[in-house]
Amino acid sequence: AQSVTQLGSHVSVSEGALVLLRCNYSSSVPPYLFWYVQYPNQGLQLLLKYTSAATLVKGINGFEAEFKKSETSFHLTKPSAHMSDAAEYFCAVRYTGNQFYFGTGTSLTVIP
Amino acid sequence: ETGVTQSPTHLIKTRGQQVTLRCSSQSGHNTVSWYQQALGQGPQFIFQYYREEENGRGNFPPRFSGLQFPNYSSELNVNALELDDSALYLCASSLAGGSRSASTDTQYFGPGTRLTVL
Repeated sequence: AQSVTQLGSHVSVSEGALVLLRCNYSSSVPPYLFWYVQYPNQGLQLLLKYTSAATLVKGINGFEAEFKKSETSFHLTKPSAHMSDAAEYFCAVRYTGNQFYFGTGTSLTVIP
Repeated sequence: ETGVTQSPTHLIKTRGQQVTLRCSSQSGHNTVSWYQQALGQGPQFIFQYYREEENGRGNFPPRFSGLQFPNYSSELNVNALELDDSALYLCASSLAGGSRSASTDTQYFGPGTRLTVL
């Protein structure tokens, strides 16, 4: 089945520390990959997307993600966490078709 | 350029009732997708509309239905509401290519409608 897995439902980091949120997809065909962020009581905001161009994708707010076909991964990173980064993060994949498959999300807590 | 808007923001219904949720797509977009996000879960695809026709459906029963209008706004209708229908309903708009096939179009989400079924 086509799906996406986010490892770690909750991640806590100290302010200024590296942020690493994990996402793995299941497919032999490289999909289109997305990371979205959701703040409390709000919709989803696009952080970045991979569409088979450069494997290292830079997004908004200092986030970036690297597509690794050999590992079927698309982990999200940020070198230095900020308090405003505290939110829910969703990885999503889209294969040939119209449907986006979302992971179950990772809640990021930033400790001052 | 206006973003995706949804109405109402909150709604409370009782079991068995019917509900209609509305979505205005981002200017220039021709495709609308609807998602259900239960508490603590990721969004689940309900269906998508492209140029007023259903263009894909997730694993939801027929009591979930929709419409897309000539201005590309959309409605989600849910009949015979059940307690498990309580969720945040998200609408996302995108600009698909010249056909109904997939492209790299990105989906832009509205703020959602929080539906509570009692």
